[in-house]
Amino acid sequence: AQKITQTQPGMFVQEKEAVTLDCTYDTSDQSYGLFWYKQPSSGEMIFLIYQGSYDEQNATEGRYSLNFQKARKSANLVISASQLGDSAMYFCAMREGHGGTYKYIFGTGTRLKVLA
Amino acid sequence: DGGITQSPKYLFRKEGQNVTLSCEQNLNHDAMYWYRQDPGQGLRLIYYSQIVNDFQKGDIAEGYSVSREKKESFPLTVTSAQKNPTAFYLCASRWGSDNQPQHFGDGTRLSIL
Repeated sequence: AQKITQTQPGMFVQEKEAVTLDCTYDTSDQSYGLFWYKQPSSGEMIFLIYQGSYDEQNATEGRYSLNFQKARKSANLVISASQLGDSAMYFCAMREGHGGTYKYIFGTGTRLKVLA
Repeated sequence: DGGITQSPKYLFRKEGQNVTLSCEQNLNHDAMYWYRQDPGQGLRLIYYSQIVNDFQKGDIAEGYSVSREKKESFPLTVTSAQKNPTAFYLCASRWGSDNQPQHFGDGTRLSIL
């Protein structure tokens, strides 16, 4: 069965430092997509970054980058120059399905706390 | 201003009562989704719909029902058969090609009285 694993329930990082949040996945599909979302304490889900299984380059969006290692089935999120506002829950998700009929599997999340 | 609107923000249910959570989007998205989130947990898929008048069960559909009569609307009913409904419910929609992310509403927090 398709699965997403986030092994770090909580992480601390000092302001202005970089932090890596781990995500491993399990799928037998050749075509899939990986997403990272941020959930502040207010509850809304904010899309951060996307990586397609056929993308050869690691995705980057501002301070966010995705360290995609296909053979190891990992898709770790790297946040550079952490800010106090980065304190939140972070979820890794995988798109499964094909032909436009997609559903998404989420990991259990990592709670990040940025220290001043 | 386009987006997804969930209402109400907070909802209380009595034992044996059905309640309906509203989800409306003006993004012209075809696909819509309902998720349940328990404290400290990830999101679990309840139901999803790719087009009007069609929907599929997700991983935890028992005790829930949905309808998709209009493209903009995907209400979720939590029935009395759902014995542990206390959770945070999130609605999402998605457009187009496979690299497009889901857009989420602000959620409804449901509690048992």
